[in-house]
Amino acid sequence: DTAVSQTPKYLVTQMGNDKSIKCEQNLGHDTMYWYKQDSKKFLKIMFSYNNKELIINETVPNRFSPKSPDKAHLNLHINSLELGDSAVYFCASSQATSGRASDEQFFGPGTRLTVL
Amino acid sequence: AQTVTQSQPEMSVQEAETVTLSCTYDTSENNYYLFWYKQPPSRQMILVIRQEAYKQQNATENRFSVNFQKAAKSFSLKISDSQLGDTAMYFCAFMRIGRGSTLGRLYFGRGTQLTVWP
Repeated sequence: DTAVSQTPKYLVTQMGNDKSIKCEQNLGHDTMYWYKQDSKKFLKIMFSYNNKELIINETVPNRFSPKSPDKAHLNLHINSLELGDSAVYFCASSQATSGRASDEQFFGPGTRLTVL
Repeated sequence: AQTVTQSQPEMSVQEAETVTLSCTYDTSENNYYLFWYKQPPSRQMILVIRQEAYKQQNATENRFSVNFQKAAKSFSLKISDSQLGDTAMYFCAFMRIGRGSTLGRLYFGRGTQLTVWP
């Protein structure tokens, strides 16, 4: 069974469209993350949720909105897509114990978003 | 802010040889985690090895070992008996041990592309 899954794996869309990427984890973790990997392979955190509460909200355009319907899911919705949004987006999860994150984060396979 | 620096954008090694990837970091924290992640062409992020800053003993996982120098803020990865499957981008990463807005926040270096030649 896949521990952290993302759909879709590839997403090609036109500028100006709205799209969503879904993430699900079956590890029973309570903390989930979104990372962006740019064309130069640099990885940077965007958001994290702990028990459905937004914990980390990096300086990203407000066109990006995460949504966590439950602890096992963290979706990423992007409005009015721009060329610069083209990247690989990774979802990850970990378990926080007593409010402190465990060291290991488990990553999904990534979603390659291409904006034309 | 924490920064992680990998000064070697690319490295190559022959199969069965040993290679060392370097990583330095900057922090004022005393307790934290350090990691090496591997990203093969499949783009899956795979944890290779981790080190807790309070542990003086260097972490080892089979052919992978680290040289952790806390005072120098250095965390290098040694791969012994390199295999073709080790070809990947390797990322060094730092995590503060904290709560709230620092919870689980990973800071990555820019990566080192390692190629293993037959």
